[in-house]
Amino acid sequence: DSGVTQTPKHLITATGQRVTLRCSPRSGDLSVYWYQQSLDQGLQFLIQYYNGEERAKGNILERFSAQQFPDLHSELNLSSLELGDSALYFCASSVATRTEAFFGQGTRLTVV
Amino acid sequence: GESVGLHLPTLSVQEGDNSIINCAYSNSASDYFIWYKQESGKGPQFIIDIRSNMDKRQGQRVTVLLNKTVKHLSLQIAATQPGDSAVYFCAENTVDSSYKLIFGSGTRLLVRP
Repeated sequence: DSGVTQTPKHLITATGQRVTLRCSPRSGDLSVYWYQQSLDQGLQFLIQYYNGEERAKGNILERFSAQQFPDLHSELNLSSLELGDSALYFCASSVATRTEAFFGQGTRLTVV
Repeated sequence: GESVGLHLPTLSVQEGDNSIINCAYSNSASDYFIWYKQESGKGPQFIIDIRSNMDKRQGQRVTVLLNKTVKHLSLQIAATQPGDSAVYFCAENTVDSSYKLIFGSGTRLLVRP
């Protein structure tokens, strides 16, 4: 157990809908990363927060947004969902921005 | 994991042998590297890391080697066990204004009993 908690574990929703994925980092970790893992693209970096502030952005679609709250948990919001958004979404956390990051078990999103 | 659909390079080794998994990185400004192991249906698991001021670091049964000249990273697993079967990813972090941890495409390790 990495100490990073992601909910829900599985999510099935229809195209056009909006979902929120939640991540609770390890105790004491200030940095949260979000990644998307799909069959044909491996682990793609989406966005990173550090102590509530956005620090880095990857190839995150405009339909996706995220935030980190004062209690350091983070949420990834995915809207206007398309079939191609079906993937595993991972959250990772680390103490600082350039130290080892520990991953949660992921949320498997299926868009039908 | 979801990477099962990727055309991943595969390394097949006999149980008990040593394994060497390689990774080429592209950004010469990268100065921090991590190896992750991902088993089917699970999140990536931290194995070992190394910073660019080192060229070798050892853990329990694992060794990471860094060659900055040719931008190459390797993970050596001693006495490979069936439980080592997984997809292995290297990840890099760069000294610049971004804090992205960028992953390589992965290598599948299969351990034959």
